[in-house]
Amino acid sequence: EAEVAQSPRYKITEKSQAVAFWCDPISGHATLYWYRQILGQGPELLVQFQDESVVDDSQLPKDRFSAERLKGVDSTLKIQPAELGDSAMYLCASSQDRLSYNEQFFGPGTRLTVL
Amino acid sequence: EDQVTQSPEALRLQEGESSSLNCSYTVSGLRGLFWYRQDPGKGPEFLFTLYSAGEEKEKERLKATLTKKESFLHITAPKPEDSATYLCAGAPNTGNQFYFGTGTSLTVIP
Repeated sequence: EAEVAQSPRYKITEKSQAVAFWCDPISGHATLYWYRQILGQGPELLVQFQDESVVDDSQLPKDRFSAERLKGVDSTLKIQPAELGDSAMYLCASSQDRLSYNEQFFGPGTRLTVL
Repeated sequence: EDQVTQSPEALRLQEGESSSLNCSYTVSGLRGLFWYRQDPGKGPEFLFTLYSAGEEKEKERLKATLTKKESFLHITAPKPEDSATYLCAGAPNTGNQFYFGTGTSLTVIP
């Protein structure tokens, strides 16, 4: 069964350092999402891609966060510099097409701890 | 404002004790209502999509229903392996957002 892949699964870093997360969506899925989930809360959308284009990054803290999906397949989310408040689970999801009534499928997530 | 609210926050059931989880939404022009299961330290696992009021979907011990204002996830004769956090999300028919609730943490005691 096709799955969304993410790496690393866990990341511990010190504040002011740079971190990067990688996501490989389900093959053929045009839409890719990055979410942040704080413990005890639901996922919150950071950025959405349709192929290689950003569709929605209104909730992305652009002073420190960046995301790219250069070839419209896998994607990287970067934080520079990391702050204590960035500690959370970072989830990647994909769906076939944002214009269809399609569910999103999630990867296992990257647990970030900022010390 | 588009919003999804889940209740209760936490639920403890004895094995075999049926119950329901609630998801109320104020999402303009609801395109779809989605239910996910999330185990600790893992990503959400897709369960159901509901598109219109009156729709019902079932999977093993779970049944999801949708009205014009809320959705219910009914759990019949739960087992300990059903313990997880259950998330619902609403998607409006304009824009790209999924609005997630904060989830219901379900614990089923043997």
